Amino acid sequence: DQQVKQNSPSLSVQEGRISILNCDYTNSMFDYFLWYKKYPAEGPTFLISISSIKDKNEDGRFTVFLNKSAKHLSLHIVPSQPGDSAVYFCAASAAGRRALTFGSGTRLQVQP
Amino acid sequence: KAGVTQTPRYLIKTRGQQVTLSCSPISGHRSVSWYQQTPGQGLQFLFEYFSETQRNKGNFPGRFSGRQFSNSRSEMNVSTLELGDSALYLCASGPGTVESYEQYFGPGTRLTVT
Repeated sequence: DQQVKQNSPSLSVQEGRISILNCDYTNSMFDYFLWYKKYPAEGPTFLISISSIKDKNEDGRFTVFLNKSAKHLSLHIVPSQPGDSAVYFCAASAAGRRALTFGSGTRLQVQP
Repeated sequence: KAGVTQTPRYLIKTRGQQVTLSCSPISGHRSVSWYQQTPGQGLQFLFEYFSETQRNKGNFPGRFSGRQFSNSRSEMNVSTLELGDSALYLCASGPGTVESYEQYFGPGTRLTVT
């Protein structure tokens, strides 16, 4: 049973445009959400997080939106750059636990 | 600040052997977690240690164990290796406080079981 789902295996966008990566979850106990970027043969790099008490968090070009009623979150990257090309993972944590449950990832390709 | 370091980076073992992987967290971080990444199952949580105590555990068999030392460094052990244990093993560290759930990952140890 996949508790965190990233339904788009891949996404291709033009440099300078917006990239929107989506993530859905089923476990109502999740209350903290994180996005990671991963290059091949490297560990995931933390990008941005959001607590369930918020619906938006921004950090530079990255913004995460959380819709608790829909159990949906999204990562917006504006503007997209070729260096953003990587696999992006959504992860979730339940209250008091630091056991991250990861989605299957979305491969983002930013075309120059 | 130095990042999370893991040793060794690559390892080849034979079925039935055991293996120990090592992780040094970011200075000041007291929480260390371990994850397994495979093509079929993706990234899966193994366990988390905080102040030398296992605080959370994932759904892995007892062949997978770990420990944390007083300096927050951690080791993970897998006994009686099986072919299916071939994976990238990732260590992550974080402050482990109620205010912060972020975890920062190391480069991983690529384990191949033959």
